[in-house]
Amino acid sequence: NAGVTQTPKFRVLKTGQSMTLLCAQDMNHEYMYWYRQDPGMGLRLIHYSVGEGTTAKGEVPDGYNVSRLKKQNFLLGLESAAPSQTSVYFCASSRTRDTQYFGPGTRLTVL
Amino acid sequence: AQSVTQLGSHVSVSEGALVLLRCNYSSSVPPYLFWYVQYPNQGLQLLLKYTTGATLVKGINGFEAEFKKSETSFHLTKPSAHMSDAAEYFCAVRGPSGTYKYIFGTGTRLKVLA
Repeated sequence: NAGVTQTPKFRVLKTGQSMTLLCAQDMNHEYMYWYRQDPGMGLRLIHYSVGEGTTAKGEVPDGYNVSRLKKQNFLLGLESAAPSQTSVYFCASSRTRDTQYFGPGTRLTVL
Repeated sequence: AQSVTQLGSHVSVSEGALVLLRCNYSSSVPPYLFWYVQYPNQGLQLLLKYTTGATLVKGINGFEAEFKKSETSFHLTKPSAHMSDAAEYFCAVRGPSGTYKYIFGTGTRLKVLA
């Protein structure tokens, strides 16, 4: 099992550009999450999904969109990147409301 | 509302010394509590969790934590620090009933001195 994987690992964008981050899990988990990690702020939930075809907003959803077309994939999109979105992005998945399993992260820099 | 406070953003201990990382929580429902570890340039890995039952929870790599309801605490300890324990540690509480999110603390970076 690969667990939770994230693509890409690193990305540099210019302000206004768009991109999509891909998260994939092979554990057949129902629930998937996108977090951002910023220094001194811990992890903050952006969006989450409780099943295929469903998504919901977390703490800091503005400027991001998500889709869960397949159970194993959860995509995070930035339509018009801003420097404030420079961060490390983590995807996680869980079978129930219990333990979340995290991917290795994507380091995004917006210039 | 749920919240987590980790006291001390940076903690230094000597190799072989006791590790104590503090976590206090606030929860309107019986809490599910977690400790995660993040090694440099990696994702978060579960160390241990408390859901129900025994209040002293043992995790991986010799870590343990005790749930103290009266003190609303879930401090992480390890009797003897190793150099390999140097990492960032996050305490988290599961969100309110009906939600699926975790509330994370701001993290404590542990430095182990030779």
